[in-house]
Amino acid sequence: GAVVSQHPSRVICKSGTSVKIECRSLDFQATTMFWYRQFPKKSLMLMATSNEGSKATYEQGVEKDKFLINHASLTLSTLTVTSAHPEDSSFYICSAVTSERTDTQYFGPGTRLTVL
Amino acid sequence: GQQLNQSPQSMFIQEGEDVSMNCTSSSIFNTWLWYKQDPGEGPVLLIALYKAGELTSNGRLTAQFGITRKDSFLNISASIPSDVGIYFCAGQLYLEDDKVIFGPGTSLSVIP
Repeated sequence: GAVVSQHPSRVICKSGTSVKIECRSLDFQATTMFWYRQFPKKSLMLMATSNEGSKATYEQGVEKDKFLINHASLTLSTLTVTSAHPEDSSFYICSAVTSERTDTQYFGPGTRLTVL
Repeated sequence: GQQLNQSPQSMFIQEGEDVSMNCTSSSIFNTWLWYKQDPGEGPVLLIALYKAGELTSNGRLTAQFGITRKDSFLNISASIPSDVGIYFCAGQLYLEDDKVIFGPGTSLSVIP
């Protein structure tokens, strides 16, 4: 149980384009999802907390207009990197918590974004 | 803000050896979590600790939640090659939207 998927697993795009990454909880409902960014050989950095039906809460230093988050349903959250630039290239990982146990996060497999 | 420290930063051990890694913080956490991450993958939860002093095992893995709630350790017994990866500790505060703070990770290499 508690499986989280991400799509796509890899994406390569040109500078200036927008990229959407999906995060789905496959076998549970997730009232809260989190988006992380991870640079090579570094730890996970929380970008934002996404609650179903409400606006995402962004961490300090994360541009909300740059990284658009939509949590439209209890099983889906999306992260859109708008007008991507090479410095946005990174590994983006989402996680979700179940309503039964909000103190344990289950992670997706990650999405590798490369902006040329 | 809250920060976690992990030690050691990296380890090289022989297959069959036991491994121990620590995580400390200046802040108190309600939950301690240990994750393993393989290259190009998302972190996988290994052990979750919810009470101070709690000692929990998962196969060859054992982790404890420190009494002060500011530290935790993870032990791996009889290491095998597939134990290779980066191990992250993470702490969670209930009053902060279940936000999880990650440590910098311990990179484990197992020499066959």
